[in-house]
Amino acid sequence: QQQVKQSPQSLIVQKGGISIINCAYENTAFDYFPWYQQFPGKGPALLIAIRPDVSEKKEGRFTISFNKSAKQFSLHIMDSQPGDSATYFCAASFVGGADGLTFGKGTHLIIQP
Amino acid sequence: GAGVSQSPSNKVTEKGKDVELRCDPISGHTALYWYRQSLGQGLEFLIYFQGNSAPDKSGLPSDRFSAERTGGSVSTLTIQRTQQEDSAVYLCASSLDLWNQPQHFGDGTRLSIL
Repeated sequence: QQQVKQSPQSLIVQKGGISIINCAYENTAFDYFPWYQQFPGKGPALLIAIRPDVSEKKEGRFTISFNKSAKQFSLHIMDSQPGDSATYFCAASFVGGADGLTFGKGTHLIIQP
Repeated sequence: GAGVSQSPSNKVTEKGKDVELRCDPISGHTALYWYRQSLGQGLEFLIYFQGNSAPDKSGLPSDRFSAERTGGSVSTLTIQRTQQEDSAVYLCASSLDLWNQPQHFGDGTRLSIL
């Protein structure tokens, strides 16, 4: 079964610190890896995404690191702010495929002021 | 519209009733996806449409679930004879097409079965 394993389940970080969330996948055919942010009562919102031909992608304070050989990817949030407190989901899919996004179980991030 | 719109935002119904959930994708997006979010199962993919066609219905949880899309735009997810285990948030997403991600999500319909 296709799976994406996400850790940690919850994370508390001090304001200004670095938040790191990790994901591992099993199916080497996955070729698109997005991260979504979700606030209570809202739908997931895309933060940043990466393809396997790139090892790192940075957008503002958000960085994805991708390790194809280890089948792992991670989200780094630099200078974490209280407004970043949310649930974060990693996901994987086949572009053009029929299976939609396979999501990790989510990480509940709390940034303490 | 500017984003993916879902209605109703909340639905409470009695066990055994039928419910219909609606999704209006971003204008021009040909691909549309339905997901279900629950505490126990996380985010599960249910079905996708490319245009009006849904080639693979195997992700639907049971034969009580059906989905259709007409005119390449609005989609409805119908649950017949609802059960308590159907209680969840049903999310819809759209993308330009299957080969051009990302998927943009609506805020979902929170379905509660009494």
